[in-house]
Amino acid sequence: GQQLNQSPQSMFIQEGEDVSMNCTSSSIFNTWLWYKQDPGEGPVLLIALYKAGELTSNGRLTAQFGITRKDSFLNISASIPSDVGIYFCAISGNTPLVFGKGTRLSVIA
Amino acid sequence: DAGVIQSPRHEVTEMGQEVTLRCKPISGHDYLFWYRQTMMRGLELLIYFNNNVPIDDSGMPEDRFSAKMPNASFSTLKIQPSEPRDSAVYFCASKKGAGDSYNEQFFGPGTRLTVL
Repeated sequence: GQQLNQSPQSMFIQEGEDVSMNCTSSSIFNTWLWYKQDPGEGPVLLIALYKAGELTSNGRLTAQFGITRKDSFLNISASIPSDVGIYFCAISGNTPLVFGKGTRLSVIA
Repeated sequence: DAGVIQSPRHEVTEMGQEVTLRCKPISGHDYLFWYRQTMMRGLELLIYFNNNVPIDDSGMPEDRFSAKMPNASFSTLKIQPSEPRDSAVYFCASKKGAGDSYNEQFFGPGTRLTVL
């Protein structure tokens, strides 16, 4: 089945720093999604991207759908302690979502 | 809206016992998904239903796993007999519709299963 390469696997950053993570796939997809999972909870959708080149923001979060339609990145600016969690990218075609392995973010106050 | 409801939140059982996990999707959603999350393998899709009908169960690891959706508001995932390697967090998710405009899946809080 389709696999996503998500990196980095984990990050330890200082509060206030910016964060960047990305995902790549070997195939072209029409939709990229970014989810966040808080500790002890299920993933929650942060941003959905539907067009190649699209750049979308949600507060301090910014995500882009790569021009090649094979990649996407997520940036978090000015990180705060509540940004802690696991961030997943996901792709969608005509089949259920395929999730990346996740980026585990730790924020040091 | 109450969101996706899962029960129990935590389950500890002994190897060989039957385990039943329960899910109530969001009202009006016609897709339901069961996932398993482990550190090693991440988030894996086990099975999904559309309008209560199982569509793809290729992710179900073994015959010990079975899932049912008797009606639009209830689904179960059963493991019989359970083994220690089944220890994981099991998520249920639901969504409405199909196509690019309906990709958001809403996840429940998960059931943390520990098999001793």
